[in-house]
Amino acid sequence: DAKTTQPPSMDCAEGRAANLPCNHSTISGNEYVYWYRQIHSQGPQYIIHGLKNNETNEMASLIITEDRKSSTLILPHATLRDTAVYYCIVRVSGTSYDKVIFGPGTSLSVIP
Amino acid sequence: KAGVTQTPRYLIKTRGQQVTLSCSPISGHRSVSWYQQTPGQGLQFLFEYFSETQRNKGNFPGRFSGRQFSNSRSEMNVSTLELGDSALYLCASRLGTGGYEQYFGPGTRLTVT
Repeated sequence: DAKTTQPPSMDCAEGRAANLPCNHSTISGNEYVYWYRQIHSQGPQYIIHGLKNNETNEMASLIITEDRKSSTLILPHATLRDTAVYYCIVRVSGTSYDKVIFGPGTSLSVIP
Repeated sequence: KAGVTQTPRYLIKTRGQQVTLSCSPISGHRSVSWYQQTPGQGLQFLFEYFSETQRNKGNFPGRFSGRQFSNSRSEMNVSTLELGDSALYLCASRLGTGGYEQYFGPGTRLTVT
């Protein structure tokens, strides 16, 4: 199974961009990178996903390096409500159906 | 469109008892996955159901079981509860297996005393 490595915690000033890195050096060619976040005591929330091209939606941007061994989630203007644990996940494609394996994630604190 | 719902939201059980948790996926979603979340172990995959069949299973003992009904609703059961089973149990649904994003419910907080 491909695994991801994320820093355990990060701080970001309110209004600034939050850049959350993720390493996935053993990713396979057909595996996607997904990002979720979990605000305290709530269920995880899907943010964005990508294969090899950069992606952007209303919540965030995802930058994937050309060799696909790492990626960065960018929250362009962090607010206090973005304080959460952010999970970077690589989809593990089995012989039939996918398993979704969560690592420990990065705890992002947005500071006023 | 209504989100994923889980019942009950909170539950207190005694060691040795059994418990059944329920999950209703988003309308049209056919895949339901279950996760256990504890402070020490984080989010751990329990199992995934699609079309009433278990498609994937995590590394949990046989005391943890589940099922899915024809309307895609799912239940998970834990028998012979242990103190270590105290956790937030999360259910997630998606359209089908494969490259679709999951949508999580609010979870059921189980406390075993």
